[in-house]
Amino acid sequence: GENVEQHPSTLSVQEGDSAVIKCTYSDSASNYFPWYKQELGKRPQLIIDIRSNVGEKKDQRIAVTLNKTAKHFSLHITETQPEDSAVYFCAASDPAGANSKLTFGKGITLSVRP
Amino acid sequence: KAGVTQTPRYLIKTRGQQVTLSCSPISGHRSVSWYQQTPGQGLQFLFEYFSETQRNKGNFPGRFSGRQFSNSRSEMNVSTLELGDSALYLCASSLAPVGPDTQYFGPGTRLTVL
Repeated sequence: GENVEQHPSTLSVQEGDSAVIKCTYSDSASNYFPWYKQELGKRPQLIIDIRSNVGEKKDQRIAVTLNKTAKHFSLHITETQPEDSAVYFCAASDPAGANSKLTFGKGITLSVRP
Repeated sequence: KAGVTQTPRYLIKTRGQQVTLSCSPISGHRSVSWYQQTPGQGLQFLFEYFSETQRNKGNFPGRFSGRQFSNSRSEMNVSTLELGDSALYLCASSLAPVGPDTQYFGPGTRLTVL
């Protein structure tokens, strides 16, 4: 099955700086890569996703890039704000599960210092 | 539309007991997935149901089971509870019948096994 690794496990940035979170996946047949944000005590919320036929997608301060050759994808947050502090999870669809199953990374805790 | 709902929100059980958790998907969504979230392992896939059929299954023992009803509501059951089953159990619903699609998470059920 699919294996997703996320690094680093924690990241601290100064407010206004950019943050980049990277994930790698193992199965080249995976074709869907969502990112979720989970604030303390709340449910994971989708913030952006990308499909394998696209190399980059942007939504205001958030962007995701996908490198299919290297099998990695990254989340970019620009002009970080304290409310961006949360745990961020990347995921990849699992081809063994007909792509309707998601395999998640272990999450990264992003802290934005005011 | 109302979001994904889960009941109960909190449960305390003792070892050896069994528990049933419930998930109501977003109206019109026919796929329901279940995940176990723990601090050490992150989000781990339990199973996915679509049109009352289990379509995908994760690597959990047979004590973990689920079902889906004709109205797409889903339940999961854990029998013979162990201390290690203490976790946040999240369900997520999605619309697409085939392939990957955005999964919307419920608030989760916090299970504590004593």
